Amino acid sequence: DAKTTQPPSMDCAEGRAANLPCNHSTISGNEYVYWYRQIHSQGPQYIIHGLKNNETNEMASLIITEDRKSSTLILPHATLRDTAVYYCIVRVDRNAGNMLTFGGGTRLMVKP
Amino acid sequence: DAGVIQSPRHEVTEMGQEVTLRCKPISGHNSLFWYRQTMMRGLELLIYFNNNVPIDDSGMPEDRFSAKMPNASFSTLKIQPSEPRDSAVYFCASSLEGSRAEQYFGPGTRLTVT
Repeated sequence: DAKTTQPPSMDCAEGRAANLPCNHSTISGNEYVYWYRQIHSQGPQYIIHGLKNNETNEMASLIITEDRKSSTLILPHATLRDTAVYYCIVRVDRNAGNMLTFGGGTRLMVKP
Repeated sequence: DAGVIQSPRHEVTEMGQEVTLRCKPISGHNSLFWYRQTMMRGLELLIYFNNNVPIDDSGMPEDRFSAKMPNASFSTLKIQPSEPRDSAVYFCASSLEGSRAEQYFGPGTRLTVT
């Protein structure tokens, strides 16, 4: 699975959009981009994933560049409860063996 | 749905003792994963099972670690003998295996070995 690069930390004002970047320049054509987050003292939580097209759900939006070498997770209206470490993970989806390899992630601090 | 259940939530033990961590996956899920998280190494996959069969245990640090899944609703991770460097938070996760299946994580077990 391709490696990802994320900034170690970011700040965001409460109520504003949080845009978290992820670089995955070595991504291959059959690899998906996944985002998970980990709130302090909890287990990681799935947020969203995508292959080529932009995706949106009740939690966030995922914007993938046309060349697929980078992506951005967008939390449209960040709240204090969104303070967490956000992990960008790239992997091939298989019928079995869908392991997750976590990197360092981005520590997002939402401030009042 | 109760989610993934792990027990105990906290465990403090002395070096050399046996430690057993337990996990109950979400009903119907057929894949189970054990992860370990430390400040130094982050979140690491130790082992995963598919349909109760261990598929990849390459992340298990050494022979002191063993994991079993006797049935679809229960798994254990055992450390014998435990050492201070095993202190970490151990997470169990489960998923309904197949394309693009998300993993659901439990609350973790915080292990302290003194």
